[in-house]
Amino acid sequence: QVQLQEAGPGLVKPSQTLSLTCTVSGGSINSGNYYWSWIRHHPGKGLEWIGYIFYSGSTYCNPSLKSRLTMSIDTSKSQFSLELSSVTAADAAVYYCASASTVSTYFDYWGQGILVTVSS
Amino acid sequence: QSALTQPASVSGSPGQSITISCTGSSSDIGTYKYVSWYQQHPGKAPKLIIFDVSDRPSGLSNRFSGSKSGNTASLTISGLQTEDESVYYCSSYTRSSTWVFGGGTKLTVL
Repeated sequence: QVQLQEAGPGLVKPSQTLSLTCTVSGGSINSGNYYWSWIRHHPGKGLEWIGYIFYSGSTYCNPSLKSRLTMSIDTSKSQFSLELSSVTAADAAVYYCASASTVSTYFDYWGQGILVTVSS
Repeated sequence: QSALTQPASVSGSPGQSITISCTGSSSDIGTYKYVSWYQQHPGKAPKLIIFDVSDRPSGLSNRFSGSKSGNTASLTISGLQTEDESVYYCSSYTRSSTWVFGGGTKLTVL
């Protein structure tokens, strides 16, 4: 069973870059079977899909975040990462990494989530 | 992209059935069978409970069922149990090759 674990700073200053990493275990990150995804949950609001990266390095993201978002993957470390630049208070959320099967389009495995606060 | 529309809250008594609606558009729910539902308890990660409109992950109770009509998907929970009290989110794949989620519905078991 695939397990995912987010890591990164819980506090980011406004205008700086938010950087998170997700470590994958129990499955191969370069199997081609999953879209490795990021999803966030704003307090009191719904979930928001951020984007995904494929094992090949190809990415696809939420158009609303595209200009500020960079995603990367390191298959040797079984990790994929997110960088969101020029953060504001609106980026404060719980960030989840998740896997979406390429044969269907649901998120079957999720990390525990990491709370990111944006404050000076 | 607009979020899918869910009622903010629903409630029911133990043993009863409830249905949560999720309304999208012809760009998402109306086009694809790729609707999924997630259950999220406080402080926990979302858990997949329905995928492809009406399929259940292996081992999940058949008290949970899903359906779709036009641009609206629905989640029905029958034989309500206290442990079903949670927040439920719907999600759909879209024509833009992105995913969209609903705002979440808080289920209270009275």
